Formats: sequence, structure tokens, C-alpha cells
Amino acid sequence: DGGITQSPKYLFRKEGQNVTLSCEQNLNHDAMYWYRQDPGQGLRLIYYSQIVNDFQKGDIAEGYSVSREKKESFPLTVTSAQKNPTAFYLCASRVGEGRLGTEAFFGQGTRLTVV
Amino acid sequence: KQEVTQIPAALSVPEGENLVLNCSFTDSAIYNLQWFRQDPGKGLTSLLLIQSSQREQTSGRLNASLDKSSGRSTLYIAASQPGDSATYLCAVISGTYKYIFGTGTRLKVLA
Repeated sequence: DGGITQSPKYLFRKEGQNVTLSCEQNLNHDAMYWYRQDPGQGLRLIYYSQIVNDFQKGDIAEGYSVSREKKESFPLTVTSAQKNPTAFYLCASRVGEGRLGTEAFFGQGTRLTVV
Repeated sequence: KQEVTQIPAALSVPEGENLVLNCSFTDSAIYNLQWFRQDPGKGLTSLLLIQSSQREQTSGRLNASLDKSSGRSTLYIAASQPGDSATYLCAVISGTYKYIFGTGTRLKVLA
């Protein structure tokens, strides 16, 4: 079935450690997004990518890094510079900027906790 | 800067009621507006997409309308059921191709 797969579902990070969240899609979508969700707050954009080998910072990119080497993959690394990484992380994709009227699809999320 | 607001923040209704969720946005130059449902601890499920040239979309018991000029969208849920209990989010996409989300309406339908 087509869709977006995020892994792992739960992730625990020690202080000072870098961790990478996986996001894979088989929808042949050009655009991919990473959002962070905190209790009582809306989704905030971390990074987005409109095409392979290109990505832009969102509103809260500090302490995060991404890569887009393949169309189907958009991994997010939470670095030790991110001081408050405990949150629910959501990955999304959509067809691309040439098709602005198309809908976005989301993965099931990764819950990251600092221990 | 585009801002999206959803009112009310929480809503509790008895089963069978028809209800309306509201979404407003500050910049009317949007390409589309999308309504999502989120169950606790889960990702977002797309409910309805309204393109900028459209006024409404329907799917089953759900109807979403869009008034770009006034910066408003409503999600109408007919004959609500306990299974409709979830958080409902609206999001708009505009010139920078980014989805901007509201903070959601947490709905509880009582049996």
C-alpha cells in the first residue's frame, strides 16, 4: 500500500546524543515536511524539501538537520544542540510545488523522549 | 505572516448533534485549505481538501466550506458519533508552499 512510514514509533535519547528519525514515502511525492507537535501547541515546521537535494529551514530549525538524497526518504536528525527535544514528530509529503492544490499525507509519528 | 486560529479549542456534545468547527486565517492568498483528524498519539488523517477555487467539499457526514475573502472555513459534522471524538486541525498552504496549522479543536462526543 502507498503511504508514509515513520520509524521508530518511540525513541529515547540521552543527554548530548544525536538521534535520527526516519521518514519514507512510496507515493512518488516531491515535497516532504517535518513538524514538531507539543502538548497544547499547533504543529510547527522544522524543515521542508520541495525536491531531491534541496531543503529549507522552517520556523524552528535550530538544533535539527535533514538530508534529501533520495526522493522517497527525508530523515531528521535531532542534534545535541536541541535543548528541549522531547516532543511528537510528524513527517508529511505532498505532490509538489507545481501542484499546489493537492493534499498532504502524514505518517503516524515518532515520540521522542529525553532520558 | 499567515496565522491560523481554530475556535473553539474544545467541544463536548451529546451523540447525534450536528456541530460546526471554525477555522480562520489572516492572509486570504491561500492555495488550499485542508482539514485533518488526529487521534491521541497518532498521526494526522486527511479529511477534506478545499482548493482555493472551490467553496466547499463533502465526504459522508462531513462538509467543509471555504470563504477566502473573509478568511474563514467551517467543518460541519452531521449526526455526531462517539467515534468522531478526536482533535480536528485545519491547515492552509500559501506562497511559501508551507502548511500552516491551527492549534486544533478537541472534540468529545458523549454516548
